[in-house]
Amino acid sequence: KAGVTQTPRYLIKTRGQQVTLSCSPISGHRSVSWYQQTPGQGLQFLFEYFSETQRNKGNFPGRFSGRQFSNSRSEMNVSTLELGDSALYLCASSLGAGGPDTQYFGPGTRLTVL
Amino acid sequence: GNSVTQMEGPVTLSEEAFLTINCTYTATGYPSLFWYVQYPGEGLQLLLKATKADDKGSNKGFEATYRKETTSFHLEKGSVQVSDSAVYFCALKIPNTGNQFYFGTGTSLTVIP
Repeated sequence: KAGVTQTPRYLIKTRGQQVTLSCSPISGHRSVSWYQQTPGQGLQFLFEYFSETQRNKGNFPGRFSGRQFSNSRSEMNVSTLELGDSALYLCASSLGAGGPDTQYFGPGTRLTVL
Repeated sequence: GNSVTQMEGPVTLSEEAFLTINCTYTATGYPSLFWYVQYPGEGLQLLLKATKADDKGSNKGFEATYRKETTSFHLEKGSVQVSDSAVYFCALKIPNTGNQFYFGTGTSLTVIP
């Protein structure tokens, strides 16, 4: 079974631009979660999508948004980029069922904002 | 609220040394507990998990026991190898509350030959 894939792997943008990141979950997984990883803040939860609906949301500004398609693929968008948005963005997929549902992570997209 | 506290790193050990990385948690409800590992330049990989009190998760020589009385899930390995050098994350999830995981800050481990 193929793992979680994320594209692109690396991105360089300038302040004020917007960016879209893509995540393809493991086949059969219906839940996709996004995390921001920085050296200072560690792993911070952005949001989770399940069956095309946002099910959970972390404490990030409205510039961060996402969506999920009927095939469970997900995109994350960041508008009006700031220098502090430079980070590794990780996507994780899971079955989405209740209980001890394990998340499987992709390799991440490294975003650099100049 | 829900949170995970890990011991500060970095940790440097000689090959074949014993490893312990401490993890304690605060949770509303009855969490499932996880250890993830991140190798340089990669995403996180599940190392082991435990879903109820006194469960022991184990994988690749690593072990962790879910201790409800001390709200802990310490990671141990009897004899580390150079290939174990990575960052280790402790995490918890509250079942049936969506899929939000709460991660610790990570502990960097370097094993020297």
